[in-house]
Amino acid sequence: DVKVTQSSRYLVKRTGEKVFLECVQDMDHENMFWYRQDPGLGLRLIYFSYDVKMKEKGDIPEGYSVSREKKERFSLILESASTNQTSMYLCASSSVGHPSGNTIYFGEGSWLTVV
Amino acid sequence: AQKITQTQPGMFVQEKEAVTLDCTYDTSDQSYGLFWYKQPSSGEMIFLIYQGSYDEQNATEGRYSLNFQKARKSANLVISASQLGDSAMYFCATKGRLPSYGKLTFGQGTILTVHP
Repeated sequence: DVKVTQSSRYLVKRTGEKVFLECVQDMDHENMFWYRQDPGLGLRLIYFSYDVKMKEKGDIPEGYSVSREKKERFSLILESASTNQTSMYLCASSSVGHPSGNTIYFGEGSWLTVV
Repeated sequence: AQKITQTQPGMFVQEKEAVTLDCTYDTSDQSYGLFWYKQPSSGEMIFLIYQGSYDEQNATEGRYSLNFQKARKSANLVISASQLGDSAMYFCATKGRLPSYGKLTFGQGTILTVHP
């Protein structure tokens, strides 16, 4: 069974803290993504990676960075957490494969509260 | 660039009735895919149905069907015979042609509540 695992389901951090959200997939997928989900805004892409050590900005990269040192692991980093980064964060992965059909798999999400 | 619009923040339906969730899209790609996902309160994203832009027939998956009207750029989800377990957030999304790297663009979501 395919699996995308996010290390923490619920986190509470203080303003200014450095925060790491970890995501691991066991499907040997090339592509990995970090989305942020907010009420009324849906899911918005923060960063994605299409290969080890490769990354590209999504629609809302400000205040975030990412790291992909190994194919199976994609980390989202909040260098200095702020209250407006309180949100639900979803990791996803996909294979290059055929462009049609569902090739994207999501983790269960990480609920981050910054106080 | 792609854009998805879901104009219904919330929908209510009686158990066993059918419901349509609206989705319109905007894309400059000639070839694209349209997706619907279900998100229960637990937060996981569950894939429901996919429609390719060149597919001539509307996609169906069990109780889910996608009413694809290309000229109107709409991809509405129809759930037949609603069940209490269908209560969730529903997202419409699109993926452009390669090299999209599998990136999805999502709409704002619609919260569906099924009443007994």
